[in-house]
Amino acid sequence: AQKITQTQPGMFVQEKEAVTLDCTYDTSDPSYGLFWYKQPSSGEMIFLIYQGSYDQQNATEGRYSLNFQKARKSANLVISASQLGDSAMYFCAMRAKTSYDKVIFGPGTSLSVIP
Amino acid sequence: ETGVTQTPRHLVMGMTNKKSLKCEQHLGHNAMYWYKQSAKKPLELMFVYSLEERVENNSVPSRFSPECPNSSHLFLHLHTLQPEDSALYLCASSQTAGEKFYTFGSGTRLTVV
Repeated sequence: AQKITQTQPGMFVQEKEAVTLDCTYDTSDPSYGLFWYKQPSSGEMIFLIYQGSYDQQNATEGRYSLNFQKARKSANLVISASQLGDSAMYFCAMRAKTSYDKVIFGPGTSLSVIP
Repeated sequence: ETGVTQTPRHLVMGMTNKKSLKCEQHLGHNAMYWYKQSAKKPLELMFVYSLEERVENNSVPSRFSPECPNSSHLFLHLHTLQPEDSALYLCASSQTAGEKFYTFGSGTRLTVV
């Protein structure tokens, strides 16, 4: 069975500091993709970054980078130089072939950026 | 605006009411999805439509009835709901059902009283 775990229900970070949001996953499928989405209070889910299981390098998108440790089955999101607008819920998600390409989501981490 | 528009943004309905949620995308995507987001629970996939055909029904109660009249529109018809159905209902679309990138709407906040 596929499963996503996010062990940090809430996190605080000082503005301009970096923060790491944890994500571990479980799948027996060798081919899968990992995503991070941001959900501000407005409700929409905003795609941030994607990592494929066969990608050799860790994904980066601007201030977002994904620390992919395949052997540990972890895909932590690192946000550098936090901004007040980064305050939101963050969801780790996974899509695997054996789950018929369904995207499953973790429970989320609430990030609050402090001025 | 993400390109996926959901209406209404907020809905309060009684348990005997019938209402519909609407999702619209003009991104040229061929797959559309309904997700339910309850408090303190992960997002739950409800339905998947690909090229206007339902390809997945994730054991959703029959009081939720989806409709996809064309590739740009997706509806979720609601009737005789329960208070535990109160949640944020998110619509998403992707180029194809196997596409890795989803575009989400802002959701409809549903409260059943």
